[in-house]
Amino acid sequence: KAGVTQTPRYLIKTRGQQVTLSCSPISGHRSVSWYQQTPGQGLQFLFEYFSETQRNKGNFPGRFSGRQFSNSRSEMNVSTLELGDSALYLCASSRAGDNEKLFFGSGTQLSVL
Amino acid sequence: GEDVEQSLFLSVREGDSSVINCTYTDSSSTYLYWYKQEPGAGLQLLTYIFSNMDMKQDQRLTVLLNKKDKHLSLRIADTQTGDSAIYFCAGDNYGQNFVFGPGTRLSVLP
Repeated sequence: KAGVTQTPRYLIKTRGQQVTLSCSPISGHRSVSWYQQTPGQGLQFLFEYFSETQRNKGNFPGRFSGRQFSNSRSEMNVSTLELGDSALYLCASSRAGDNEKLFFGSGTQLSVL
Repeated sequence: GEDVEQSLFLSVREGDSSVINCTYTDSSSTYLYWYKQEPGAGLQLLTYIFSNMDMKQDQRLTVLLNKKDKHLSLRIADTQTGDSAIYFCAGDNYGQNFVFGPGTRLSVLP
């Protein structure tokens, strides 16, 4: 069974640009969550999608957005990039039920110059 | 909501046992988890424990949960160099979103 797939693996952007990251969950998993990981702040929850609807949202500005498609694949978008957005963005999928074990992808490393 | 704390570093000799500790502020998680992250990789689920349990053993891994003290630990028996990584404890925050600790960097010395 394939794991969680994130693309691209690395991205370099400049301030003010926007970026879209993609995540394909494990087959049969309907929930997709996104986390931002930085050395200073650790792992911070961005949002969670289930059945194409945002179910939970973390404390990030509106520049961070996401969506989920009918096949459970998800994208997150960051507009007007800032230097502080440089981070590893991790996607995780789960079955969405009792004991929602999260399974993570390898992440997208975003560098904003 | 949940807040999780961990010591940041741990160094052990190969073959010894490692104990990684975690404390949390409230009891809003149904399950508590341990994840491992190797350099350049995502988080790998190691094990988890239901909040009503005190202990769970899974091969070399033993999880202890002290609900009264809000303390969670992960013991790795016969630690190997391949166990060198960052270990995160996490709570599921009653299904709202996972809350992770800052991670403990385990270094295994030969």
